[in-house]
Amino acid sequence: KAGVTQTPRYLIKTRGQQVTLSCSPISGHRSVSWYQQTPGQGLQFLFEYFSETQRNKGNFPGRFSGRQFSNSRSEMNVSTLELGDSALYLCASSRTDSYGYTFGSGTRLTVV
Amino acid sequence: EDQVTQSPEALRLQEGESSSLNCSYTVSGLRGLFWYRQDPGKGPEFLFTLYSAGEEKEKERLKATLTKKESFLHITAPKPEDSATYLCAVHSGTGGYQKVTFGTGTKLQVIP
Repeated sequence: KAGVTQTPRYLIKTRGQQVTLSCSPISGHRSVSWYQQTPGQGLQFLFEYFSETQRNKGNFPGRFSGRQFSNSRSEMNVSTLELGDSALYLCASSRTDSYGYTFGSGTRLTVV
Repeated sequence: EDQVTQSPEALRLQEGESSSLNCSYTVSGLRGLFWYRQDPGKGPEFLFTLYSAGEEKEKERLKATLTKKESFLHITAPKPEDSATYLCAVHSGTGGYQKVTFGTGTKLQVIP
């Protein structure tokens, strides 16, 4: 079966711009979580969506937001980009009753 | 605050030289502990979920164990293809507030 698909794979943006990342979960998975991964901080939890509702949120500023659509696809938006936002952004999906996440390959965001 | 600490940060083994990776945790309301493998430029790949102290799971050369304070990932007779970063994560919380906290990983290099 198809895995978790993230688009685009690579992105270069300028400071101050905004960006939208997309994630298509495994069919039947209703929970989608987003993580930021950097060499210094490791994997940091951004937020989790379940059935179009944000269920949990990590300690990130309000510039980071997301949403989930009725087909479980999710988008993450970062406004007013800063150099420190450069990272690998990972999306993971899971079944409703399990937290055995399946991760996508990520979107590598570079802010210049 | 939930904490997950992995050691060592990096490990270099000769092919066939068995060893163990450690994941110690402090969480309130452990619901599960996960092990993932991550190759460069890719998303984490799920390996195991452990739910209660005393539980063990095996997959090929890998064996994961869990106590009330830590988990070990034992690697028996490793091969070069086992080279990767191994991540530990804990699922914690109750009711409407649950979260997954990742450690910063152990980078394993297996030399032929």
